[in-house]
Amino acid sequence: NAGVTQTPKFQVLKTGQSMTLQCAQDMNHEYMSWYRQDPGMGLRLIHYSVGAGITDQGEVPNGYNVSRSTTEDFPLRLLSAAPSQTSVYFCASSEQAGANVLTFGAGSRLTVL
Amino acid sequence: DQQVKQNSPSLSVQEGRISILNCDYTNSMFDYFLWYKKYPAEGPTFLISISSIKDKNEDGRFTVFLNKSAKHLSLHIVPSQPGDSAVYFCAATYTGTASKLTFGTGTRLQVTL
Repeated sequence: NAGVTQTPKFQVLKTGQSMTLQCAQDMNHEYMSWYRQDPGMGLRLIHYSVGAGITDQGEVPNGYNVSRSTTEDFPLRLLSAAPSQTSVYFCASSEQAGANVLTFGAGSRLTVL
Repeated sequence: DQQVKQNSPSLSVQEGRISILNCDYTNSMFDYFLWYKKYPAEGPTFLISISSIKDKNEDGRFTVFLNKSAKHLSLHIVPSQPGDSAVYFCAATYTGTASKLTFGTGTRLQVTL
């Protein structure tokens, strides 16, 4: 049982480039979300999904897109990377929306030059 | 506006002693609180939680105390072990928010021999 798998673990981008951070879970969880962690700021919610086909914005959604075409996958797209998006990104899931305990992936460290 | 605050960035405790990590919150709507533990290069892992209808929850060496009137919670680890050395995040949520957690900035605990 792999849990929540994130790829890639590390990525370096140039300003203006686009990329997708992948997230997959094999626990049949309905709820999935993306957080970013920055020094001195804790983890902040970017986007979340309460089920396939349903997504919504979190606290810091600007510059990011998400989609949820399957229960298992929840990719995060950076449309035009900016240095302010340099961060560590975590994907998390739970059985259903309202189940407060989240299972996190190992993280993806992104650097934008 | 930091709704969940962990005012101590770091804490050092001797092995075998008690570790006390503190967390304050400002949003009166929060009704569920969690502690996550994070090792370097890994995602946060759930440690213990408490509902606002309780003032204490215990799980082995870990106890969380909630003081609603003071909007304060604390995590006690007794006895502390070297393997407890990690960053601890306090998080909060409230009913109807679809598993959206608001995190504190974390406290780095170092347990020394």
